[in-house]
Amino acid sequence: DAKTTQPTSMDCAEGRAANLPCNHSTISGNEYVYWYRQIHSQGPQYIIHGLKNNETNEMASLIITEDRKSSTLILPHATLRDTAVYYCIVRDSYNFNKFYFGSGTKLNVKP
Amino acid sequence: NAGVTQTPKFQVLKTGQSMTLQCAQDMNHEYMSWYRQDPGMGLRLIHYSVGAGITDQGEVPNGYNVSRSTTEDFPLRLLSAAPSQTSVYFCATCLRSYNSPLHFGNGTRLTVT
Repeated sequence: DAKTTQPTSMDCAEGRAANLPCNHSTISGNEYVYWYRQIHSQGPQYIIHGLKNNETNEMASLIITEDRKSSTLILPHATLRDTAVYYCIVRDSYNFNKFYFGSGTKLNVKP
Repeated sequence: NAGVTQTPKFQVLKTGQSMTLQCAQDMNHEYMSWYRQDPGMGLRLIHYSVGAGITDQGEVPNGYNVSRSTTEDFPLRLLSAAPSQTSVYFCATCLRSYNSPLHFGNGTRLTVT
């Protein structure tokens, strides 16, 4: 199973870009990278996902390295409401149910 | 569209009591699942269903039952509540595709005394 490694916490100034890194060195070629966030104890909120190419949506951008061993989630203009725990997940390609949420990165957006 | 709706939001039970946590979705997703999240930990899969009439166990199924009689509903039953089942419970749904994100409800916070 591909596991992920994320920093425990990060700080970001309001209005600046937040770049959240994730290492997934054992990822297989057909496994997707997903990003979620969780604010307080609300349900995890889907942000973005990708396989090989960089992706962008209204919330964020996802940059995946060419070797696919790491990725970066970019929140282009962080606001105080982006303070949350961010989870990087590699979806198991052999077991549809395996969607491991690790410890994530606590992003603190400061005024 | 409401997405994924969980009820109740909060529940307190005494040891040995039973109850059902409700999950309903209006997204027409085949796959539904239940997770629990304990303080400072990630989510752990309890049970899941790939379609009406089909259910299976996740990694922590003991003490819980599920059924899936319709596409929309996937209730989770606690047969005899124990303090170890104090947790936040999340229901999640998606299409049956690795390219389909899980969509979560807002959770049920359960305390067993």
